[in-house]
Amino acid sequence: AQSVAQPEDQVNVAEGNPLTVKCTYSVSGNPYLFWYVQYPNRGLQFLLKYITGDNLVKGSYGFEAEFNKSQTSFHRKNPSALGRDSALYFCAVRDPGGGGSYIPTFGRGTSLIVHP
Amino acid sequence: GAGVSQSPSNKVTEKGKDVELRCDPISGHTALYWYRQSLGQGLEFLIYFQGNSAPDKSGLPSDRFSAERTGGSVSTLTIQRTQQEDSAVYLCASSPDRGAYGTQYFGPGTRLLVL
Repeated sequence: AQSVAQPEDQVNVAEGNPLTVKCTYSVSGNPYLFWYVQYPNRGLQFLLKYITGDNLVKGSYGFEAEFNKSQTSFHRKNPSALGRDSALYFCAVRDPGGGGSYIPTFGRGTSLIVHP
Repeated sequence: GAGVSQSPSNKVTEKGKDVELRCDPISGHTALYWYRQSLGQGLEFLIYFQGNSAPDKSGLPSDRFSAERTGGSVSTLTIQRTQQEDSAVYLCASSPDRGAYGTQYFGPGTRLLVL
């Protein structure tokens, strides 16, 4: 079985400060991990994914996430928050080795609010 | 190119009525997913189509919910005898193929309100 947790419903950070949006997962094998962002009244937009390779994953528009196998985490990180980062973020996991492996499991979402 | 489109964007209906929600995936995408997003909740998986294979209906919450995908492209999600708890945003996503590691491309959603 696969599962993912986003322990924080909301994260508040001042503009210019480092930000972390947490995501932890549980799978039986090696995970495929994803981050999506949702802006108001919009669908989810793919940001980046980890399949294999470097633990630090870089996506479009400066989005980054760090894979940590020992901590089973895939936190979204940025050294300097910007106002435009304010949005709802979803982490998702897929276990390619498990049953139902083509259906990702999504976290509950974390609302990131960047204050001026 | 064109993304995933969904219609209608908003739907208000009365309890007990049937509704149909439509999804047009990205051309050439073989996988199609339906999700439900309730206020303050994450995404609830409903149903998954992959090519000509039998759909995975394991997420459908009751037999009032059904979906079909015609010609491997357009999909329709039907909710019969709607209830107030069906009010939510229904999201559709498509994916190129199984080898894409599951990256999904989402439509803007249909906001359903059952009065």
